[in-house]
Amino acid sequence: KNEVEQSPQNLTAQEGEFITINCSYSVGISALHWLQQHPGGGIVSLFMLSSGKKKHGRLIATINIQEKHSSLHITASHPRDSAVYICAVRAFKETSGSRLTFGEGTQLTVNP
Amino acid sequence: EAGVTQFPSHSVIEKGQTVTLRCDPISGHDNLYWYRRVMGKEIKFLLHFVKESKQDESGMPNNRFLAERTGGTYSTLKVQPAELEDSGVYFCASSDDRARQPQHFGDGTRLSIL
Repeated sequence: KNEVEQSPQNLTAQEGEFITINCSYSVGISALHWLQQHPGGGIVSLFMLSSGKKKHGRLIATINIQEKHSSLHITASHPRDSAVYICAVRAFKETSGSRLTFGEGTQLTVNP
Repeated sequence: EAGVTQFPSHSVIEKGQTVTLRCDPISGHDNLYWYRRVMGKEIKFLLHFVKESKQDESGMPNNRFLAERTGGTYSTLKVQPAELEDSGVYFCASSDDRARQPQHFGDGTRLSIL
């Protein structure tokens, strides 16, 4: 079983819908990342969280350390949001400069 | 600032051949990571350099993989000889040494072994 589990694996939405992607992890962490990968493209870091909530434009990321759970929300979704969204964690035993453990990713498709 | 760059973007080689992937991290970033995604699986850690030293190479699959970072700048990952199961996308990432800094990823090298 992977230390980082994402759900759903695939998600199809209509433009304008509110989207939630979930991430659960089983290890103590010092930080959690949400990453985005477009088809054929590189990986872009969206958020790095260690507590609470962060917002950037239409994207919101939350984390509950006690429940070992994080969510990525997209408000007013748009076809250009179509991408793979990946949750990754940095284990608590490490501090800076530490490797990430990744979830399998969620393939999001937003239809016009 | 220039991002993390990887070369080549795509490589197709035959089983048994040798391939070398290159990663140029963001200037000044001491930490450099190699990761790999094979088809249908999650991205997995291969190794971590701090400057020119291997900090953690626990994710390297076997001794056919050799990573170097001479001078603490760019890094190479050599696969010799390549096997079919080595196909996948190889990502490089870098971060600076301050705590709580994110890793910046390159676009990856798609490696296809025929």
